[in-house]
Amino acid sequence: SYVLTQPPSVSVAPGKTARITCGGDNIESKSVHWYQQRPGQAPVLVMYYDSDRPSGIPERFSGSNSGNTATLTISRVEAGDEADYYCQVWDSSNKRLIFGGGTKLTVL
Amino acid sequence: QVQLVESGGGVVQPGRSLKLSCVASGFNFSTYAMHWVRQVPGTGLEWVALISYDGKYKYYADSVKGRFTFSRDDLKNTVYLQMNSLRTEDTAVYYCARSGAMATIFIDYWGQGTLVTVSS
Repeated sequence: SYVLTQPPSVSVAPGKTARITCGGDNIESKSVHWYQQRPGQAPVLVMYYDSDRPSGIPERFSGSNSGNTATLTISRVEAGDEADYYCQVWDSSNKRLIFGGGTKLTVL
Repeated sequence: QVQLVESGGGVVQPGRSLKLSCVASGFNFSTYAMHWVRQVPGTGLEWVALISYDGKYKYYADSVKGRFTFSRDDLKNTVYLQMNSLRTEDTAVYYCARSGAMATIFIDYWGQGTLVTVSS
């Protein structure tokens, strides 16, 4: 079945740019979606269809998808962005929704 | 606004059954597919199941196939997850979630979750 690979952790200083990657075989052929989960809370959709932001998500969040890697980019990182981030695709062949293992973003 | 409220979690012995419910509000429930997703505290998200907007199609993770049953009652704006033959590895927070209404499948809203603990 399809596998999504994320780095376990990413650290960034406030005001800098964080890039969280999501690797998968020919992932550019799929639509990638991203979720933010703050400690003790339910996940929240922060990016869909690779690069579309839901209403209420700051413009600092952007997404891209090329080759074997999708990327969630957070510009001008703030303390409130500290959370776990998960990428997700739909495996249409096996009719399964697949999540990456998650990346813990730490704001230094 | 969209609200999803889960209930039915608790402590259950291995091999027993439990039924989760999720009441939806704030949107036209009968036109949306729904999901269950679970998360062992401190670990990542695991998709459990999907039911189509009309209940015609149901898809399950291999880990629960044959033991869990996803159903919906559009008159009550409610989805259910019947969990049978529970195992200790089913212990997790279970989230009810709405599927985004687009060509591909993703989740646009999540409930707050209900904790299921399988333990003797």
